[in-house]
Amino acid sequence: DGGITQSPKYLFRKEGQNVTLSCEQNLNHDAMYWYRQDPGQGLRLIYYSQIVNDFQKGDIAEGYSVSREKKESFPLTVTSAQKNPTAFYLCASSIFAPITGVPGNTIYFGEGSWLTVV
Amino acid sequence: GQQLNQSPQSMFIQEGEDVSMNCTSSSIFNTWLWYKQDPGEGPVLLIALYKAGELTSNGRLTAQFGITRKDSFLNISASIPSDVGIYFCAGQLEAGGTSYGKLTFGQGTILTVHP
Repeated sequence: DGGITQSPKYLFRKEGQNVTLSCEQNLNHDAMYWYRQDPGQGLRLIYYSQIVNDFQKGDIAEGYSVSREKKESFPLTVTSAQKNPTAFYLCASSIFAPITGVPGNTIYFGEGSWLTVV
Repeated sequence: GQQLNQSPQSMFIQEGEDVSMNCTSSSIFNTWLWYKQDPGEGPVLLIALYKAGELTSNGRLTAQFGITRKDSFLNISASIPSDVGIYFCAGQLEAGGTSYGKLTFGQGTILTVHP
């Protein structure tokens, strides 16, 4: 089945540790995104990538890092510099970015990963 | 970053009632998307709007792209229990500037449907 796969679904991080969330898509989409969701809030963009080997900071990139070495993969590392990492993380992709005005080029989401600091 | 004001924040309705929610912005958008999110899952796209004034339906759902390009609404008719969830609007700003290529999301509307 085509889609976006995030793993793990649940992850616990100790203080001072870096952790990496995986995101894989087999939709042949050029663009990929990482969002963070906190309870009662909308989605906030962490990083996005419009093409392989290129990525841009979103609105809340501090304490996070990404790589885009392959078209289908866009892993997110939550570093120890991220002071409040407990949240629901969502990976997404689109055929290309921006999605502006092109029917069918919308953003599709994975099922999310829960990260908790213990 | 850019802000979308989504209202209402929450709704408690009886099964069979119609529902309406909307998003407004001080900026002009050229794409509006509406998503539904079930607890612990990723958002699922409901309707995508690409032109000012566009009115699009998807089953019991209807959404419109405001003619000012600064707002959009979503209506759900004859609600059923499985409509429960969080509904998000999202907009794509016009080309140009540092926000190009990024979606802005509303805060979400929590919908509860009583049988």
